[in-house]
Amino acid sequence: GALVYQYPRRTICKSGTSMRMECQAVGFQATSVAWYRQSPQKTFELIALSTVNSAIKYEQNFTQEKFPISHPNLSFSSMTVLNAYLEDRGLYLCGARGRNYAEQFFGPGTRLTVL
Amino acid sequence: GQQVQQSPASLVLQEGENAELQCNFSTSLNSMQWFYQRPGGSLVSLFYNPSGTKHSGRLTSTTVIKERRSSLHISSSQTTDSGTYLCAWSNYNVLYFGSGTKLTVEP
Repeated sequence: GALVYQYPRRTICKSGTSMRMECQAVGFQATSVAWYRQSPQKTFELIALSTVNSAIKYEQNFTQEKFPISHPNLSFSSMTVLNAYLEDRGLYLCGARGRNYAEQFFGPGTRLTVL
Repeated sequence: GQQVQQSPASLVLQEGENAELQCNFSTSLNSMQWFYQRPGGSLVSLFYNPSGTKHSGRLTSTTVIKERRSSLHISSSQTTDSGTYLCAWSNYNVLYFGSGTKLTVEP
């Protein structure tokens, strides 16, 4: 079956520092990976979409300078939260889609706490 | 930007009652999914439903894509159904989420 793993599951960082999170697809080739954030008491917002062989597309209010993403192969993606502040805390999910699947598969998320 | 309206925001039921959750989208997209969000935050996919009606146990999802709406029906609710339900409209590689329905089923 198609599975998506995320590391770490929880992390704490000091305000102004950076934190990298990873997303791994198992059992399928992740031709696209989308990153989402759920801030406290809110729903999920799309941060960016990474499609193999295409430029990464960021949504309004999110930038490459703040959330650089790497998608080097069809099973792995990572995103870094640079210079994290309180407003960056929340649950970060990656959703991966493969060629032979119509739906996205989600990892369990990385919960970021900023002190 | 994309707009997803989900209703109701919260719902309290007595065990055994039925629940109807609604989701509407402002522009045409190609499909939709319903999720249950666990207390820890992770998502459980309930339905991937581009159109028509799908059943899974006590759950039924109906999507009318040309009317940009979808519903999730929970029959004979149980206390274990309590939690947050999210709908999300799909644009091939990305999802746009509704704000969720917090369901509480009381014994």
